[in-house]
Amino acid sequence: AQSVTQLDSHVSVSEGTPVLLRCNYSSSYSPSLFWYVQHPNKGLQLLLKYTSAATLVKGINGFEAEFKKSETSFHLTKPSAHMSDAAEYFCVVILFSGGYNKLIFGAGTRLAVHP
Amino acid sequence: DAGVTQSPTHLIKTRGQQVTLRCSPKSGHDTVSWYQQALGQGPQFIFQYYEEEERQRGNFPDRFSGHQFPNYSSELNVNALLLGDSALYLCASSPNRGDRRYGYTFGSGTRLTVV
Repeated sequence: AQSVTQLDSHVSVSEGTPVLLRCNYSSSYSPSLFWYVQHPNKGLQLLLKYTSAATLVKGINGFEAEFKKSETSFHLTKPSAHMSDAAEYFCVVILFSGGYNKLIFGAGTRLAVHP
Repeated sequence: DAGVTQSPTHLIKTRGQQVTLRCSPKSGHDTVSWYQQALGQGPQFIFQYYEEEERQRGNFPDRFSGHQFPNYSSELNVNALLLGDSALYLCASSPNRGDRRYGYTFGSGTRLTVV
């Protein structure tokens, strides 16, 4: 079965320091993985996606993630945090069933950025 | 180009009532999915529509039903509302039958409060 586990429910960093949000996945076939961000009282915005092409995926706003099959991980990173990065981040895997796809979300990681 | 549009943005209903939420997908998208996001949790898949038919369904009771129209817009109906139905309801659209290569575009959601 497809699933994702976000290893940290809360992460706190100082502005200008690196960000690491951790995600492990479980999949019975080659997975498609996404990272979405949700700002307070907003919908979900796609940060980046992995669909079996390059293992290092670059997204919007300076975020990137690396797909590591040997570690079943898809961690999200950013070299330097900005105050505007404070939000909830969701790691997502696609479940393919009956000819259709659906998104399976992790529980989320709340990122706080301090001055 | 408008993204996914949901209406209304906020709604307050009484237990036992019925509610209808609406979604207009992004231009060019033919597949619509609905998700329920309870406070502090990741979104949970409700169902998905393609070619005006329900193609997949998550673990939600029959009180949750939907519809897709020929112009690809969609409605989510919830009957006999319970306090536990209070949540943010998100609509996501995707092209090409939900092809995983393209990602999913989310609306800003409808905040439903049941009192």
